[in-house]
Amino acid sequence: EVQLVESGGGLVQPGRSLKLSCVASGFTFSNYGMNWIRQAPGKGLEWVAYISSGSSYIYYAETVKGRFTISRDNAKNTLYLQMTSLRSEDTALYYCARRAGSYQYYFDYWGQGVMVTVSS
Amino acid sequence: DIVLTQSPALAVSLEQRATISCKTSQNVDNYGISYMHWYQQKPGQQPKLLIYEGSNLASGIPARFSGSGSGTDFTLTIDPVEADDIATYYCQQSKDYPYTFGAGTKLELK
Repeated sequence: EVQLVESGGGLVQPGRSLKLSCVASGFTFSNYGMNWIRQAPGKGLEWVAYISSGSSYIYYAETVKGRFTISRDNAKNTLYLQMTSLRSEDTALYYCARRAGSYQYYFDYWGQGVMVTVSS
Repeated sequence: DIVLTQSPALAVSLEQRATISCKTSQNVDNYGISYMHWYQQKPGQQPKLLIYEGSNLASGIPARFSGSGSGTDFTLTIDPVEADDIATYYCQQSKDYPYTFGAGTKLELK
């Protein structure tokens, strides 16, 4: 069974940093591209970042480019999101989501999400 | 960025048909594939993939869900609507980065 479990969220002051993790199980993590997608309270979904299976390709939303860094450790089956210079508008539930395949550009499995609250 | 436009809400009766639309600001087709996907999200839960590449039913999704359309106009149909289908539905394009979602259509009971 595919499982994605996020952790690392919490309350953080504006301007500070936070690092999210997503541990994957039930599939060969190193074969799949991964994404972070967020959802502000009561709002819709916003794609944040993508990393290819071997970390060769990385893309970011303009809203986080230069502040967030996506990375992965295939030996640990873990995806990361390093968030710096956090702003109130980064407050959201952050999901990790698997890209379905090399040529399948949709999200077939999602984690339960981890909450990040940016507030003084 | 490609903008996806959905109606905010749709009221429907049980056992009737629900039609949810998604219009994109640019063509999301390429080489015969529509890079349009649909997700269902219930309160307190993560989104679930329903339809991929315009019209393909995701694994484990009931056949009462279907997707259609091409280019810039897409539709998610639920027929017949069951009580368990009350949720918010999002379309998403993967033609170009940044991947974008519609604002969601909340399916409500009439």
